[in-house]
Amino acid sequence: GQSLEQPSEVTAVEGAIVQINCTYQTSGFYGLSWYQQHDGGAPTFLSYNALDGLEETGRFSSFLSRSDSYGYLLLQELQMKDSASYFCAVRAVGGNFNKFYFGSGTKLNVKP
Amino acid sequence: EAGVAQSPRYKIIEKRQSVAFWCNPISGHATLYWYQQILGQGPKLLIQFQNNGVVDDSQLPKDRFSAERLKGVDSTLKIQPAKLEDSAVYLCASSLDGDRVVDTQYFGPGTRLTVL
Repeated sequence: GQSLEQPSEVTAVEGAIVQINCTYQTSGFYGLSWYQQHDGGAPTFLSYNALDGLEETGRFSSFLSRSDSYGYLLLQELQMKDSASYFCAVRAVGGNFNKFYFGSGTKLNVKP
Repeated sequence: EAGVAQSPRYKIIEKRQSVAFWCNPISGHATLYWYQQILGQGPKLLIQFQNNGVVDDSQLPKDRFSAERLKGVDSTLKIQPAKLEDSAVYLCASSLDGDRVVDTQYFGPGTRLTVL
């Protein structure tokens, strides 16, 4: 089966750096994505890692270690608008097509 | 470009009633997904279409849920009959081609279903 683990909630102050971890157990692993979802809103794509290493996109970076089945999302220079839920999602090869599994999400609270 | 459209945005029904949701993906996107997101949880994939064919419906409760994408564009998801545990947000997403190495999913605003 597939499983993803991420912390349920993280709190940080404006301007700080926060790291949200994600560990996964999956067969046919292909890549790890991160999505942001504000309350009442739709998930929006942040990043995707298929290879080991760090991907940087502005204030957000994402890391993957395939050997450790582990990844993280790093948010720098936190802003109040970053308060949202963050989901890691595994892309796995299943049969003739790719499958997607989301974690339960990490609620990030940014305080002034 | 226009995003993924969904309707209705909200729906309240009683258990054992039927309900249908509609999704219009981004133009040119071959892959369409329906997810169920229960409050406090991550989205769970219900069904994935490639053009008008189903490629994954392993997590779709087929005794009550059905979905179609007849012309490879719009899609409808139906629940018949609804149960209390079906209360959730139903998200539609689309992507250019779900079999590409890098393929971003774009989500619609969702339909919030409440079953009383």
